[in-house]
Amino acid sequence: TQLLEQSPQFLSIQEGENLTVYCNSSSVFSSLQWYRQEPGEGPVLLVTVVTGGEVKKLKRLTFQFGDARKDSSLHITAAQPGDTGLYLCAGVPPGSSNTGKLIFGQGTTLQVKP
Amino acid sequence: GAGVSQTPSNKVTEKGKYVELRCDPISGHTALYWYRQSLGQGPEFLIYFQGTGAADDSGLPNDRFFAVRPEGSVSTLKIQRTERGDSAVYLCASSRYRRGTDTQYFGPGTRLTVL
Repeated sequence: TQLLEQSPQFLSIQEGENLTVYCNSSSVFSSLQWYRQEPGEGPVLLVTVVTGGEVKKLKRLTFQFGDARKDSSLHITAAQPGDTGLYLCAGVPPGSSNTGKLIFGQGTTLQVKP
Repeated sequence: GAGVSQTPSNKVTEKGKYVELRCDPISGHTALYWYRQSLGQGPEFLIYFQGTGAADDSGLPNDRFFAVRPEGSVSTLKIQRTERGDSAVYLCASSRYRRGTDTQYFGPGTRLTVL
């Protein structure tokens, strides 16, 4: 059983469209992170959300942390081909705040076609 | 160096052989993590070092896997008697501290293929 469930797992859209990726859990997380990974590279941190209900924006990307801190979403406005990649949500599981080890969702593969 | 480096970038081995994967973290980072990523999946935690000691090895799948960090910097992940199911990308990450919100910087990974 995945502690963090991401949906959808795969998304193929045209340039200019909007999209939302979801990350859900039955557990409360003290924080959640979103990463982007390109082929042959390691994940790169995009944002960390800490407070329930928090909204953070990074250019055309908007990240939201659920009020109950069990879920998060990533919304991309006017997607561009350069947004193509694997998007991962991750968090430190309950009881592991001393270590900082991360558990990841399965990832969402985004393909933006020109 | 500027970032986390991992060597080799690719490793092909035969079933039953022994392999070592190396990670050079960012200078000054005390925390080091190993993850394993299968195709189309998110990374899976293997082991965490704080300094020289393995503070959490709960993710190691079995006793064929072992990791060391003898001087608190470079780490080596060792896999004995490799199996085809060990094929994956092995990622290393480091962070300055171990707090949950500290940024983990990932290396490019080592792609291990067991034939």
